[in-house]
Amino acid sequence: EADIYQTPRYLVIGTGKKITLECSQTMGHDKMYWYQQDPGMELHLIHYSYGVNSTEKGDLSSESTVSRIRTEHFPLTLESARPSHTSQYLCASSEAGFRTTDTQYFGPGTRLTVL
Amino acid sequence: DQQVKQNSPSLSVQEGRISILNCDYTNSMFDYFLWYKKYPAEGPTFLISISSIKDKNEDGRFTVFLNKSAKHLSLHIVPSQPGDSAVYFCAASARTGTASKLTFGTGTRLQVTL
Repeated sequence: EADIYQTPRYLVIGTGKKITLECSQTMGHDKMYWYQQDPGMELHLIHYSYGVNSTEKGDLSSESTVSRIRTEHFPLTLESARPSHTSQYLCASSEAGFRTTDTQYFGPGTRLTVL
Repeated sequence: DQQVKQNSPSLSVQEGRISILNCDYTNSMFDYFLWYKKYPAEGPTFLISISSIKDKNEDGRFTVFLNKSAKHLSLHIVPSQPGDSAVYFCAASARTGTASKLTFGTGTRLQVTL
């Protein structure tokens, strides 16, 4: 099982602030993902990466950006936060390869509230 | 259009009894299915998975059944324990090269009562 960490766990900020949500994993997984989840709703993929210097947008359009400079690190940045960005953000990782490696392991999440 | 559906938003089961959580999907390209468990304010925890070449996979108290013709899968928990109370998400992925994107259902909240 992956060890995957997210900081901060909770964040309350004002509109217009720039924020970065941190995600790190120690299992050497090549694939990493960011999901957004609102209460009672499904998880929506907003970004993913298949390795260093690889980033792709997910199924749900997001104003956030990501970077993948190191294998273990996949931060998500919002340049100017708005109340519509209030949500839970979940980071996940999985091994490279095929089929049985589709299992994704999740971090604890960051609950973001924008006032 | 939701490709993975969990039509029961909540389920209450007595401790010791069987819990059955259901999931339906519409995309016939899905060939790998997973169940995750999620506590409030935490990330989902992987429980069990099944490939489309199988119709059953068992791991301890958890068994997943897959009915490809009906595009339906279910998670059985026997016996149910109070610590099983959580939201359970069904997820599916399709074979697309090296991609492994998951599509999630909206979850079913399970409450196991004493």
